[in-house]
Amino acid sequence: QKEVEQNSGPLSVPEGAIASLNCTYSDRGSQSFFWYRQYSGKSPELIMSIYSNGDKEDGRFTAQLNKASQYVSLLIRDSQPSDSATYLCAGGGTGGFKTIFGAGTRLFVKA
Amino acid sequence: GAVVSQHPSRVICKSGTSVKIECRSLDFQATTMFWYRQFPKKSLMLMATSNEGSKATYEQGVEKDKFLINHASLTLSTLTVTSAHPEDSSFYICSARDGQYTDTQYFGPGTRLTVL
Repeated sequence: QKEVEQNSGPLSVPEGAIASLNCTYSDRGSQSFFWYRQYSGKSPELIMSIYSNGDKEDGRFTAQLNKASQYVSLLIRDSQPSDSATYLCAGGGTGGFKTIFGAGTRLFVKA
Repeated sequence: GAVVSQHPSRVICKSGTSVKIECRSLDFQATTMFWYRQFPKKSLMLMATSNEGSKATYEQGVEKDKFLINHASLTLSTLTVTSAHPEDSSFYICSARDGQYTDTQYFGPGTRLTVL
């Protein structure tokens, strides 16, 4: 059973702090990883994708991938109340493999 | 780019009726589309994978005769909830993959179905 595990939270951080969201996956064949943000009552929105070991930065967001440890993380710098949402981690393989979603981590950024 | 639309955004229907939900990829061709449902404060549940021109692949426990999926073109997939019952009330979300060799999924805005 291929799985993507996330701590459900809630993770609470003060405004301006760094929020760290973590995810582990079971399928060593997974080659692509994604972070989605989902506001309450809305559909998921793609934040970042990452395919190679290391860090990938996009604005206030940094995704980190460690394939040896089967670990993916998302760092949100200078967290804002508008970042409060559920963050979904997903892993998949190319060429038609099913993308597996984690259950999501709820993040609260306190003003 | 990579915009996916869904219609309708919200629908209320009587028990026993059928409801059709459309999912369109607006600026790319989607060989594969996915249908999810999500209950309040719960995680996404994949219902089926829809490939253009072929039959959908349903996840275990999803009734294919109740949730009819048609993927008639590279930009359109439809989900029909047949003989809807109150327990079918949920948030239905489609997503589309933007190419044969990538796993990136872009989600539509979702359809909130309420069955009275």
